[in-house]
Amino acid sequence: AQSVTQLGSHVSVSEGALVLLRCNYSSSVPPYLFWYVQYPNQGLQLLLKYTTGATLVKGINGFEAEFKKSETSFHLTKPSAHMSDAAEYFCAVRNSNDYKLSFGAGTTVTVRA
Amino acid sequence: DAGITQSPRHKVTETGTPVTLRCHQTENHRYMYWYRQDPGHGLRLIHYSYGVKDTDKGEVSDGYSVSRSKTEDFLLTLESATSSQTSVYFCATGTGAGANVLTFGAGSRLTVL
Repeated sequence: AQSVTQLGSHVSVSEGALVLLRCNYSSSVPPYLFWYVQYPNQGLQLLLKYTTGATLVKGINGFEAEFKKSETSFHLTKPSAHMSDAAEYFCAVRNSNDYKLSFGAGTTVTVRA
Repeated sequence: DAGITQSPRHKVTETGTPVTLRCHQTENHRYMYWYRQDPGHGLRLIHYSYGVKDTDKGEVSDGYSVSRSKTEDFLLTLESATSSQTSVYFCATGTGAGANVLTFGAGSRLTVL
């Protein structure tokens, strides 16, 4: 079974500052890792994913994440926050040998002008 | 939302009444999922389907049943709704190929009084 821990339920950043959202996972087999974003009153949209290969993956809206196997982490970053980045972000993991996706509890990002 | 329609989008019901939520997809995806979203818990898997008439339980399946008689429709039924089932319910689909990236519907908000 896999599980996901997101450190920090709320993150507040200034516009133009670095956004860093932390995600650690546990998985008994090689994982597939995902970040999703949810804007108010909407469903979830995929930001980026890691399956195999390059450990630094780039997603939409300037976000990127790095898979670090030794640290079982998949932290999400964006160099410069924009007001439109205010949303809830979910890290998710699934084992490469099944089709069930497990989510973290989510991190709400607010951006200060 | 990539051809996923959830109905109803909002429902208020009373404890003890049956409720059925419908998910309809037009993408012919093999995999379909029902998640519930609650503050502090992220999204938790209720049930999923890997084909017509093929379903399996997720981590929070007690009190819920599902049916999939056609590829395009996945129904979630609460036989006797309880207040603890007040939540936002999301349907998702996946192709099953590669990373099986999930696409989510807009959600159904259920309130059980």
